Amino acid sequence: NAGVTQTPKFRVLKTGQSMTLLCAQDMNHEYMYWYRQDPGMGLRLIHYSVGEGTTAKGEVPDGYNVSRLKKQNFLLGLESAAPSQTSVYFCASTRLNTEAFFGQGTRLTVV
Amino acid sequence: GDSVTQMEGPVTLSEEAFLTINCTYTATGYPSLFWYVQYPGEGLQLLLKATKADDKGSNKGFEATYRKETTSFHLEKGSVQVSDSAVYFCVPSSNDYKLSFGAGTTVTVRA
Repeated sequence: NAGVTQTPKFRVLKTGQSMTLLCAQDMNHEYMYWYRQDPGMGLRLIHYSVGEGTTAKGEVPDGYNVSRLKKQNFLLGLESAAPSQTSVYFCASTRLNTEAFFGQGTRLTVV
Repeated sequence: GDSVTQMEGPVTLSEEAFLTINCTYTATGYPSLFWYVQYPGEGLQLLLKATKADDKGSNKGFEATYRKETTSFHLEKGSVQVSDSAVYFCVPSSNDYKLSFGAGTTVTVRA
């Protein structure tokens, strides 16, 4: 049972480049989330999804897009990376009112 | 939506000291309550939980009691170890799909 898997684990991008982060869960969870974590800022919610084919904005959605074409996958896209998007990104999945499971994180640096 | 007021850190303690991290929540209905822990360089993981009033969650020597009358879920440990150095997050979970974590409390235990 893999739980929540994020790929890649590390990435360095140049300003203006695009990339997609993949989150995959094998627990048949309805809800999936993308967060970013910056020093002293805790976890801030970027986007989330309450089911296949649905997405919604979180606290800091600007500069990111997401898609949930399959229930087990939640993709986070950066169309034109900026240095302000340098961060550690975490994906999580859960069912309502139960424990959330997290991936190990993706460390992204934009230069 | 659901929210928490969590004791601000950082908190620095000596080994074998008593640790308390205060958490009060605001939520609709009767949420489940969770404490998550993030060890250095890792993703978040569940530390303990309580699903109804007066429940006590416990794990790894940590305890927290669901106090409905004071809307609190304070985390305690009687004798901390260096390995307890981490960031701790208090999270209510009810019918709010936006799973919010906030800044957490950074705890450093010195030998």
